[in-house]
Amino acid sequence: DAKTTQPNSMESNEEEPVHLPCNHSTISGTDYIHWYRQLPSQGPEYVIHGLTSNVNNRMASLAIAEDRKSSTLILHRATLRDAAVYYCILRDLYNFNKFYFGSGTKLNVKP
Amino acid sequence: DGGITQSPKYLFRKEGQNVTLSCEQNLNHDAMYWYRQDPGQGLRLIYYSQIVNDFQKGDIAEGYSVSREKKESFPLTVTSAQKNPTAFYLCASSLQSGGAPKLGGYTFGSGTRLTVV
Repeated sequence: DAKTTQPNSMESNEEEPVHLPCNHSTISGTDYIHWYRQLPSQGPEYVIHGLTSNVNNRMASLAIAEDRKSSTLILHRATLRDAAVYYCILRDLYNFNKFYFGSGTKLNVKP
Repeated sequence: DGGITQSPKYLFRKEGQNVTLSCEQNLNHDAMYWYRQDPGQGLRLIYYSQIVNDFQKGDIAEGYSVSREKKESFPLTVTSAQKNPTAFYLCASSLQSGGAPKLGGYTFGSGTRLTVV
């Protein structure tokens, strides 16, 4: 299964943009890139996903490198409620949809 | 509103006792999953099920058992054979259509925290 690599932790100031990186050098052509986040003592929640093109939604933006070996989740203005663990995972379109979650990036937002 | 309900939220197990964690979804999702999360760690897959009456082992299935008698329900039993069951357990579901899964996301429940006493 294709794996992802993320920094263990990052820190941001409130109201500033945050760029959360993810490396996935063994990504296959049919892997979609998904991001989830998990607040303390809760289940993860879906944030965004993409294949090749950059994606935007109300929660965040996803920037995907041209070679698809890395991606960046962008929170445009971090709030204290964005403090969570962020997971970058790959999902194959044609194989069974098991998700493998690594340790993720713990984002700390300072007021 | 549709979603996944896990119960109970907190569960205490005595040594040598089997306990069952409930997971129910009303999203009409085909696939369901159980994950275990230890403090400061990521999620590890225990079991998953693509359709009713069928399920497969994940990476850490030893000491656990599941059933999928109904599309909406996927209970997890933590048996006495699981030597270190204290953890946060998460149930999830997703759509799947034909041979290719639909590209929806996972929907997670709010989790059950199991503690051995």
